[in-house]
Amino acid sequence: DIQMTQSPSSLSASVGDRVTITCRASQGISNYLAWFQQKPGKAPKSLIYAASSLRSGVPSKFNGSGSGTDFTLTISSLQPEDFATYYCQQYNSYPRSFGQGTKLEI
Amino acid sequence: EVQLVESGGGLVKPGGSLRLSCAASGFTFSSYNMNWVRQAPGKGLEWVSSIRNSGSYIYYADSVKGRFTISRDNAKNSLYLQMNSLRADDTAVYYCARANPIDYWGQGTLVTVSS
Repeated sequence: DIQMTQSPSSLSASVGDRVTITCRASQGISNYLAWFQQKPGKAPKSLIYAASSLRSGVPSKFNGSGSGTDFTLTISSLQPEDFATYYCQQYNSYPRSFGQGTKLEI
Repeated sequence: EVQLVESGGGLVKPGGSLRLSCAASGFTFSSYNMNWVRQAPGKGLEWVSSIRNSGSYIYYADSVKGRFTISRDNAKNSLYLQMNSLRADDTAVYYCARANPIDYWGQGTLVTVSS
């Protein structure tokens, strides 16, 4: 089974900052990686698939990169609505697996 | 507009059963793989099960294998999760999610397993 490890687990930032979240797979997953955003009490929202492809309607301030085992999600010019928890997920093989999440706080 | 609406959650005793449903609309349901993902209170996301568009291939997390059964009815645009032998650690919000990779999520339904 593939384990996904995100770092950091939590992150404090300010409005206007740029932040980077890292996701590491325990074995190579090519670019079969997705990123999700979740706000308290809400369902997750899909941001990125194939490691770097933005979902329709997601602003270009979200940038995903990586391949193989190491991936990053960079969010630029943070706005209040960006403060949420972010998850990565591999879909290279079953069982699917999520990272433990990164809580982005003001 | 894509809509996924889960139902069937509730309070159940340990060892009991529950059947979740997910009503899909706004897209051609039979063309998409579907998934169940859960989230225990205050915890992260956990993939539970997936089913191919035709229903021909099914996958489960080890934590639910042998106890949960995923199914779909393409004629009714519906996804199901039959949950048997429920345990306290199955307590979670259960989300229905479309496609592989996931693109749309339902709003979730809460399952509480407690005596």
